[in-house]
Amino acid sequence: DAMVIQNPRYQVTQFGKPVTLSCSQTLNHNVMYWYQQKSSQAPKLLFHYYDKDFNNEADTPDNFQSRRPNTSFCFLDIRSPGLGDAAMYLCATSSRSGSTDTQYFGPGTRLTVL
Amino acid sequence: AQSVTQPDIHITVSEGASLELRCNYSYGATPYLFWYVQSPGQGLQLLLKYFSGDTLVQGIKGFEAEFKRSQSSFNLRKPSVHWSDAAEYFCALSSGTYKYIFGTGTRLKVLA
Repeated sequence: DAMVIQNPRYQVTQFGKPVTLSCSQTLNHNVMYWYQQKSSQAPKLLFHYYDKDFNNEADTPDNFQSRRPNTSFCFLDIRSPGLGDAAMYLCATSSRSGSTDTQYFGPGTRLTVL
Repeated sequence: AQSVTQPDIHITVSEGASLELRCNYSYGATPYLFWYVQSPGQGLQLLLKYFSGDTLVQGIKGFEAEFKRSQSSFNLRKPSVHWSDAAEYFCALSSGTYKYIFGTGTRLKVLA
């Protein structure tokens, strides 16, 4: 089945230690998104890639970076995680065609910062 | 300004009872509307979406939603709830761009 895959599902890191989260997709979608979701809150968009075009949300901290080496993969790098970065990180994809996108989400990576 | 409101933070229903989750939106034109479900520790799964046409939309898992322009609502319904439906439900709006506006979510509890 076509899907969005996130690895690892659970990640523990130490305060200030860089961490990378991975997302891959078999849907061949041209748009990939990263969201941060804290407990009992709605997902918050961090940035998205439209093909290779990177789009950062205005309020995304500089501590968060992303890479998309090819259509299938996208990475979220947190350069110096703080305690406030502990959250669920969701990757989503969509196919930009027609008038709007339908986003399909992966299972998420739960990040713990010690 | 565009917004999505889910008035009910928590809802509890008995298994087998009917369910309606409310979603109200604010948008100047016809929005694109979505309902997603999130089980604990999981990602969001698309239940259904409304883009245009028939205002009653059928989704997966026996869910349906009705778009009512006059009430700016897109309520989610299910005639008979199963214990496995316990989860958090998010309504989302898109204005036709990449960005979704999510509601704050409704957490559904199902009593046996």
